[in-house]
Amino acid sequence: NAGVTQTPKFQVLKTGQSMTLQCAQDMNHEYMSWYRQDPGMGLRLIHYSVGAGITDQGEVPNGYNVSRSTTEDFPLRLLSAAPSQTSVYFCASSLNRVHTEAFFGQGTRLTVV
Amino acid sequence: GQQVMQIPQYQHVQEGEDFTTYCNSSTTLSNIQWYKQRPGGHPVFLIQLVKSGEVKKQKRLTFQFGEAKKNSSLHITATQTTDVGTYFCAGGGATNKLIFGTGTLLAVQP
Repeated sequence: NAGVTQTPKFQVLKTGQSMTLQCAQDMNHEYMSWYRQDPGMGLRLIHYSVGAGITDQGEVPNGYNVSRSTTEDFPLRLLSAAPSQTSVYFCASSLNRVHTEAFFGQGTRLTVV
Repeated sequence: GQQVMQIPQYQHVQEGEDFTTYCNSSTTLSNIQWYKQRPGGHPVFLIQLVKSGEVKKQKRLTFQFGEAKKNSSLHITATQTTDVGTYFCAGGGATNKLIFGTGTLLAVQP
């Protein structure tokens, strides 16, 4: 059972480039979310989804887009990368919205130069 | 919007000493969850508290949820080197958002 799989693990981008961080889960979870982790700031919610076809903004959504075409996949798109988006990104899924355990992927360490 | 703060930001203890981290929300929570993140790792779920005043124990870890459901604490008795990591609380409120606290980094000196 793979759980939550994130790719890539590491990425370096130039300012202005775009890219997609992939996230897939095989637990048939309805709820998925993306967080970014920066030193001293904990985990901040970027976007989340309560089910296929439904997405909503979190605490820090600017500069990021998401889509949820299937239950399994929840990709995060950076439209035009900026140095301020240098961070570690975590994808998480849970069975039922915010009331059950969240399972996290291994994370993607992104550097924007 | 909902904000969740944790104190202290960093705690260094000698092995065998106790440790406590506190979590405070700006809004009433429907539940509080606690996670542990080892250095270089990802957050791993520890426990969830739902009821006002609830207390749960896991071996040397004791978790409390405040009466007003706006604060929580995690207490570790007799720390061990395996307890090293960052401890996060995360609050679920009226929205579908799970908001994480700022975390407490625990260092344990043998």
